[in-house]
Amino acid sequence: GNSVTQMEGPVTLSEEAFLTINCTYTATGYPSLFWYVQYPGEGLQLLLKATKADDKGSNKGFEATYRKETTSFHLEKGSVQVSDSAVYFCALTQNSGGSNYKLTFGKGTLLTVNP
Amino acid sequence: NAGVTQTPKFRVLKTGQSMTLLCAQDMNHEYMYWYRQDPGMGLRLIHYSVGEGTTAKGEVPDGYNVSRLKKQNFLLGLESAAPSQTSVYFCASSKTGNNYGYTFGSGTRLTVV
Repeated sequence: GNSVTQMEGPVTLSEEAFLTINCTYTATGYPSLFWYVQYPGEGLQLLLKATKADDKGSNKGFEATYRKETTSFHLEKGSVQVSDSAVYFCALTQNSGGSNYKLTFGKGTLLTVNP
Repeated sequence: NAGVTQTPKFRVLKTGQSMTLLCAQDMNHEYMYWYRQDPGMGLRLIHYSVGEGTTAKGEVPDGYNVSRLKKQNFLLGLESAAPSQTSVYFCASSKTGNNYGYTFGSGTRLTVV
């Protein structure tokens, strides 16, 4: 079945540091890949997505590139802010078959950014 | 501009009590989902629906029932609550197809004592 593995946290950075959160996946066919962000006390929000190999998703300074050869979708940001403190989830949907509408999530990575 | 609305936001139940969590979306989405979020477990799919009048089991359906009588509403029921059902519950909805992602509600924090 499908699975998503992301780096375990927590990750603690100083403001303006570079961020990488690793995500790798296992899936048959051609999944679409997503990063979601959950701020304290809130639901998940879609941060960015990529629907085919070599696509780059980007939003709010965050980027992730769909790497089929390494089955990865690592999240990066060049300069984090305190307001980026949140839990980040990598997820995928399968692009074939009858169950292509169900998201499979990683377990989440807690990011804390200190001033 | 409501998106996905969940009620209630917080609830405390005694073991054996029943309750229904309500989810409403105003985006005309076909698909709706119920997840639970537990520390160290990520999000796990309880039940989902691909259209009005249809429901299906997800990864952890035991102890829960659902109904989708109207397209915009998806109800999650606990018939006899257990402490193991203490969790944060999220409802989500999506368009058809796998490229759109989900829109999530803000969650219901349920404690069963």
